Amino acid sequence: EPEVTQTPSHQVTQMGQEVILRCVPISNHLYFYWYRQILGQKVEFLVSFYNNEISEKSEIFDDQFSVERPDGSNFTLKIRSTKLEDSAMYFCASRPGTRPSNEQFFGPGTRLTVL
Amino acid sequence: KNQVEQSPQSLIILEGKNCTLQCNYTVSPFSNLRWYKQDTGRGPVSLTIMTFSENTKSNGRYTATLDADTKQSSLHITASQLSDSASYICVVSAAYSGAGSYQLTFGKGTKLSVIP
Repeated sequence: EPEVTQTPSHQVTQMGQEVILRCVPISNHLYFYWYRQILGQKVEFLVSFYNNEISEKSEIFDDQFSVERPDGSNFTLKIRSTKLEDSAMYFCASRPGTRPSNEQFFGPGTRLTVL
Repeated sequence: KNQVEQSPQSLIILEGKNCTLQCNYTVSPFSNLRWYKQDTGRGPVSLTIMTFSENTKSNGRYTATLDADTKQSSLHITASQLSDSASYICVVSAAYSGAGSYQLTFGKGTKLSVIP
C-alpha cells in the first residue's frame, strides 16, 4: 500500500544551523502539508502546498521556513536558522484531490532536536 | 479562532472493556471531522472521516458519531485490546474556497491506556 515517507527519522542540529526535512508524498496526490508537534502538545498546521506553490500557511510558518518540491517527487521543509523552540516532530502529509472528504495521509515524522 | 477540545485528557481501561472519547469543536466553515489514532512517536493514522450529513461511521471496533448542530463528536471503542493503547485525536477540517487547502485543526488528543 502506498505511504508517505520521511527522512531522516531523527535530526539533531545546533542552534542557528539550517536543516532540510524531506518527504516523499504518495505519487498521485496533489496537496501536500507540513505539520509540527512539540512534545506533549497538539499537532499544528504549518503550510499547505498545491500546484507548486504555497496555498496556505500558519503564523508559525515565518520567514525562517520554506518549502519546495524540487523534482516532482520530493517535498522539503527548510528551516534556515534553527532555534531551540523548533525542536518538535515534523509530519508531512498528502492527499489526492479536491473533494472535501479526501483523507490526508501522514508520514511517520522526523524528530528534530535543536541543541 | 478554530478550536477543537477533547475529553478526557487520559483514560485507563481494562482489556475487553468499552470506552467513549469526546470531542467538541468550533470550526467554521465546517467541512469534515476525522478521528486519528497516533501511536507514540508515529504519525497519525485515520480511523474515520465524517462530513456534515453523516451522523455515525464505523471502522471495525471503532464507531464515531457526529452532531453537527451541537458541534460534538464521540469515538466509541468496543472490546478494547492492548494494541488500542495510543492517543486518539479529533481533527476538524475547515473548508476554504479558492485555494481549497482544507486546513486541519487538531485536538490535543485523549491518551488511552488499555491494561490487562
